[in-house]
Amino acid sequence: LAKTTQPISMDSYEGQEVNITCSHNNIATNDYITWYQQFPSQGPRFIIQGYKTKVTNEVASLFIPADRKSSTLSLPRVSLSDTAVYYCLSSYSSASKIIFGSGTRLSIRP
Amino acid sequence: DSGVTQTPKHLITATGQRVTLRCSPRSGDLSVYWYQQSLDQGLQFLIQYYNGEERAKGNILERFSAQQFPDLHSELNLSSLELGDSALYFCASSAGTGNVEPQHFGDGTRLSIL
Repeated sequence: LAKTTQPISMDSYEGQEVNITCSHNNIATNDYITWYQQFPSQGPRFIIQGYKTKVTNEVASLFIPADRKSSTLSLPRVSLSDTAVYYCLSSYSSASKIIFGSGTRLSIRP
Repeated sequence: DSGVTQTPKHLITATGQRVTLRCSPRSGDLSVYWYQQSLDQGLQFLIQYYNGEERAKGNILERFSAQQFPDLHSELNLSSLELGDSALYFCASSAGTGNVEPQHFGDGTRLSIL
């Protein structure tokens, strides 16, 4: 099963740009890269998804290099409410291969 | 609001008992997924149903079973409960079978085994 690797935790301050990098060395050709955000006692919430290059939506950007072995979630100008756990997923070609991993616990300080 | 509804929000029961968790997917979604989240194990995929049929299976114990009904709601049945089954159980839904589609999660059922 393909596995992703991300930092266990990160700290930043309000107003800063935060970049969380995820490694997915064994990503398959048909796999997409998806990021979710989870607050305590809530279900994960979809943030962004991409296959290659760059994807941007109203909340984040996702950068994927040509080899697709890693990806970077970029959160512009974070606020306290962005404090959460962020999960990077690949291996999306089959639900049975979905691995959420431990995620990155992001803490934003005033 | 994700549009996915899970009931009950909390469930407290004893070892050896059986419980049923219920999930109503987002309107129009045909796939339902079940996950278990324990304190020290993160989110574990259990099982997926698509339009009433089992589609994919993860690390689901034999004591656990699920089904999806014609109205697309799903139930997860947990039997012979053990202390280690205490966890948050999440249901998610997506539009089709294509697993590249984002999943929309409910807020979970917190199961406590005493």
